[in-house]
Amino acid sequence: EVQLVESGGGLVQPGGSLRLSCAASGFSFSRYDMHWVRQDIGKGLEWVSSIGTAGDRYYAGSVKGRFTISRENVKNSLYLQMNTLRAGDTAVYYCARDFGSGYLDYWGQGTLVTVSS
Amino acid sequence: DIQMTQSPSSVSASVGDRVTITCRASQGISSWLAWYQQKPGRAPKLLIYAASSLQSGVPSRFSGSGSGTDFTLTISSLQPEDFATYYCQQGTSFPFTFGPGTKVDIK
Repeated sequence: EVQLVESGGGLVQPGGSLRLSCAASGFSFSRYDMHWVRQDIGKGLEWVSSIGTAGDRYYAGSVKGRFTISRENVKNSLYLQMNTLRAGDTAVYYCARDFGSGYLDYWGQGTLVTVSS
Repeated sequence: DIQMTQSPSSVSASVGDRVTITCRASQGISSWLAWYQQKPGRAPKLLIYAASSLQSGVPSRFSGSGSGTDFTLTISSLQPEDFATYYCQQGTSFPFTFGPGTKVDIK
């Protein structure tokens, strides 16, 4: 069974940093592109970042230069390093598997990031 | 960036109704479109990919159509478990973008 489990969310002050993790199981992690998608409470979905099987990285304009996506295939893990956090980064962050062509077929349960003083 | 719009933003319907949701892309995306269903407090669930392909395990009352810039999601006979918010998403180019969502609630 495919499972994605996010962790690392919490309360952080503006300007602070946080590192999210996503533990994958039940599939060959190294063979899939992976994504982070976020959702502010009560709002819509916003794609954040993607990393391909070859390590190619893409970012939304709103996080470029502040967030870094990475993966560790030997640990079946996806990460999102978030620096210089702003109130607007407050959201539930989901990791998701891309089964091909940008279609996200499995999602984690999400981890809440709150940026507030 | 490719902008995605959806209409309506919300729809009230009854069990058994046929419901159609429209998604429009700001530029042509061929058939690189997905539809997701999200219930409160839950992660999104993939329903349709490549504009019209039904994801495994999704009931056949869900269908998708369209190409280029205009797409539709149709629920042929609304069931109680279908009350949720539906999002379209383009995966043709980065940054990937989602539509603002369409909430389907009980009339």
